[in-house]
Amino acid sequence: EAQVTQNPRYLITVTGKKLTVTCSQNMNHEYMSWYRQDPGLGLRQIYYSMNVEVTDKGDVPEGYKVSRKEKRNFPLILESPSPNQTSLYFCASSLYSGAQGETQYFGPGTRLLVL
Amino acid sequence: AQKITQTQPGMFVQEKEAVTLDCTYDTSDPSYGLFWYKQPSSGEMIFLIYQGSYDQQNATEGRYSLNFQKARKSANLVISASQLGDSAMYFCAMREGSYQGGSEKLVFGKGTKLTVNP
Repeated sequence: EAQVTQNPRYLITVTGKKLTVTCSQNMNHEYMSWYRQDPGLGLRQIYYSMNVEVTDKGDVPEGYKVSRKEKRNFPLILESPSPNQTSLYFCASSLYSGAQGETQYFGPGTRLLVL
Repeated sequence: AQKITQTQPGMFVQEKEAVTLDCTYDTSDPSYGLFWYKQPSSGEMIFLIYQGSYDQQNATEGRYSLNFQKARKSANLVISASQLGDSAMYFCAMREGSYQGGSEKLVFGKGTKLTVNP
């Protein structure tokens, strides 16, 4: 089954404790992206990657890191989480065929609470 | 300035009736794509429908159709024959860029919460 998986699905942590949210896709997609969703703000892009070893900042990158060492994986790293990073996080991927209609496939989301 | 505006924070509709969810967008790029996603209370993002800026006809997918008015820069989602399972948040999103090598970034509106009443 074609899918984007994220782990963990739910996470409660404390300020300053480093954490990683994993994202993996099995569709051989070039493009992967991380979004955060906050009430009243919709989804905002954090980081994205066009391919292996190619990453770039989105609209809200502060406090986050990413890496793309393999095509299928795109982990999101919070080196020192703070309460304002409490949010719902989505990983997404697409083929990056250049076609405008190429839709992005979203993972199930990770709910993060930073105390 | 917001690139995607959804002016209806919440909407109510009776089961079996049609409902229109509004979306206006702002771009100077002649090539762009517009998407609608559904987010039920379980949280996942479900792709519903896509409209390209060069498409001549309005997109349709089952009970979903997109009322695309390019001059007005609007891309309203129409859901016909509403069902209880349609109760969810709905997000309009836009991707800008040329056909080849276009940006993959999606810019989202703030969403509309649709409630379908029995």
